[in-house]
Amino acid sequence: AQSVTQPDIHITVSEGASLELRCNYSYGATPYLFWYVQSPGQGLQLLLKYFSGDTLVQGIKGFEAEFKRSQSSFNLRKPSVHWSDAAEYFCAVGTSGNTGKLIFGQGTTLQVKP
Amino acid sequence: KAGVTQTPRYLIKTRGQQVTLSCSPISGHRSVSWYQQTPGQGLQFLFEYFSETQRNKGNFPGRFSGRQFSNSRSEMNVSTLELGDSALYLCASGEGGASTDTQYFGPGTRLTVL
Repeated sequence: AQSVTQPDIHITVSEGASLELRCNYSYGATPYLFWYVQSPGQGLQLLLKYFSGDTLVQGIKGFEAEFKRSQSSFNLRKPSVHWSDAAEYFCAVGTSGNTGKLIFGQGTTLQVKP
Repeated sequence: KAGVTQTPRYLIKTRGQQVTLSCSPISGHRSVSWYQQTPGQGLQFLFEYFSETQRNKGNFPGRFSGRQFSNSRSEMNVSTLELGDSALYLCASGEGGASTDTQYFGPGTRLTVL
């Protein structure tokens, strides 16, 4: 069965520092992978997605993610964090077949120190 | 285009009551999915509708049901509410419901069961 693990429940970084949020997935075939962000009281906003091709994916707000098949990982990175990046981040895998169903990780809460 | 809208945004109910939540997808989108978000269980898939047909269902009791109308608007219903049903219910719409489609999320309905 497909699953997603985000090992870090909570991360704190200083403003201007680099960020890496970890995501590991379990899936038999080539996965469809997504990163979403959720600000307090808001729905989820897509940051980026990976289906195939170039394993380094660029997203909105200066985020990028790298797909590593050998490590079953899809880590999210940002070179310089801004205070407005404080939010909860979710990694998700799309399931096989003709469906929009997503399986989400437990999420990582990012706190940004001034 | 207008985004995904969900009504109402907040609901307070008592145990044993029933509730209906509404979701209007992005214009032209034919797929609607519902998710339950709680601090303990995270984001869990409830069901997915495509062209008025339920295409996928998560592991929830029969008290949770939904439907989709010909204009793609969707409702979900929870009968005989329990305290554990308190959650943020998120709706997502996709163009065709394919695994590679981006799912666009609404702001959610916050349900509190007393």
